[in-house]
Amino acid sequence: QVQLKETGPDLVQLTQTLSITCTVSGFSLTTYNVHWVRQPPGKGLEWMGTMWNGGGTDYNSAFKSRLSISRDTSKSQVFLKMNSLQTDDTAKYFCARQKVTTYYFDYWGQGVMVTVSS
Amino acid sequence: DIQMTQSPASLSASLEEIVTITCQASQNMGNWLAWYQQKPGKSPQLLIYGTTSLADGVPSRFSGSRSGTQYSLKISRLQVEDIGIYYCQQASSTPPTFGGGTKLELK
Repeated sequence: QVQLKETGPDLVQLTQTLSITCTVSGFSLTTYNVHWVRQPPGKGLEWMGTMWNGGGTDYNSAFKSRLSISRDTSKSQVFLKMNSLQTDDTAKYFCARQKVTTYYFDYWGQGVMVTVSS
Repeated sequence: DIQMTQSPASLSASLEEIVTITCQASQNMGNWLAWYQQKPGKSPQLLIYGTTSLADGVPSRFSGSRSGTQYSLKISRLQVEDIGIYYCQQASSTPPTFGGGTKLELK
């Protein structure tokens, strides 16, 4: 069955770099697009960016040049890296699969809660 | 970016009651709208996509509709398991954007 699972640190120091891995199963990264969405505690959802099935990427301009998404198809993994972390980057980070030919998210990982500490 | 204004922010309703949540889009986006349900500590789950289509396994008491740039989610007979936070999401253009959420509680 389709599964996504995020792994990453619980705590990141201010101004440091966040690295999260999304490991997927039940589908191929060369067929489906995978997105990153984050949710600050008690707040709403914010789309961060996507890894297209063809290997390209797209990013929310709100993250400017801080964000990088990559993948390793042989390991069925998508990676998120974001630098210059601030306290307002404290959030739960989700990876989600895009429903084919749409911009809807039909499967989500359980998320990883990351706290940026000063 | 397309802004999605969701209302109400919170809602208290009784079992079996009809519940309606709305999202107002800042511009025309056709039927490119989804609704998600999020339970405490869990990830969002797709409920409705394409404004009116139910995702797999979603009970028929959920329905979606549209009037111009206003989109609605209706729960025809509220059940205990429907408690959570609901989000709309526009899928018309990049970046995909979400409404602020509606917290649905039992009265």
